[in-house]
Amino acid sequence: QSALTQPASVSGSPGQSITISCTGTSGDVGGYNYVSWYQQHPGKAPRLMIYDVSNRPSGVSNRFSGSKSANTASLTISGLQAEDEADYYCCSYTSSSTPWVFGGGTKLTVL
Amino acid sequence: EVQLVESGGDVVQPGGSLRLSCAASGFTFSNYAMSWVRQAPGKGLEWVSAIRSSGGSTHYADSVKGRFTISSDNSKNTLYLQMNSLRAEDTAVYYCIKGFWPSGSPHPFDYWGQGTLVTVSS
Repeated sequence: QSALTQPASVSGSPGQSITISCTGTSGDVGGYNYVSWYQQHPGKAPRLMIYDVSNRPSGVSNRFSGSKSANTASLTISGLQAEDEADYYCCSYTSSSTPWVFGGGTKLTVL
Repeated sequence: EVQLVESGGDVVQPGGSLRLSCAASGFTFSNYAMSWVRQAPGKGLEWVSAIRSSGGSTHYADSVKGRFTISSDNSKNTLYLQMNSLRAEDTAVYYCIKGFWPSGSPHPFDYWGQGTLVTVSS
């Protein structure tokens, strides 16, 4: 099972909004509403930011939002802050023999 | 407070074996699915294995199927990953993860431990 496709890097200035895409197939992202997003700061464990495409766990800022269209899921961060600089990974359930697959990760730089 | 503490990471030769442990606290361990996800140095995340609540059904990535075995001991609130026939490409930090939903799917991956490093090298 190939990893989901994410841009290697995105950047934005404080206060701006950015969107990270996560492209899969009808066998994963497009076929199920089981997409999640994780934030990972250097040297730290990942943190769940979005689950089931667009739901935020308790404690996650409402500046983070998720959506999906066809085979592509998206994570949008509005009002960018310096502490948002991190790596972001998407993950989806798949119909393949490996039931969960991650994207390759996107490095967000806050300029 | 949920706590997941991994241990057992080490340097091992190709073809060798290792058992990772994850001590859980702060939640009812038997009620949640648990998973292992790994991250090779400087690389992305890779889901490895999961076990449903109360030691139920298990799932494996194709890359480890037949070599790794996940298990849990509810009396000790501990998750395990037995790794056999290790290869250089298994070198990674291994994270222990609690599932989000009680008695539900392993995904989404809720709380993550700090990880334990496994290095496979001669």
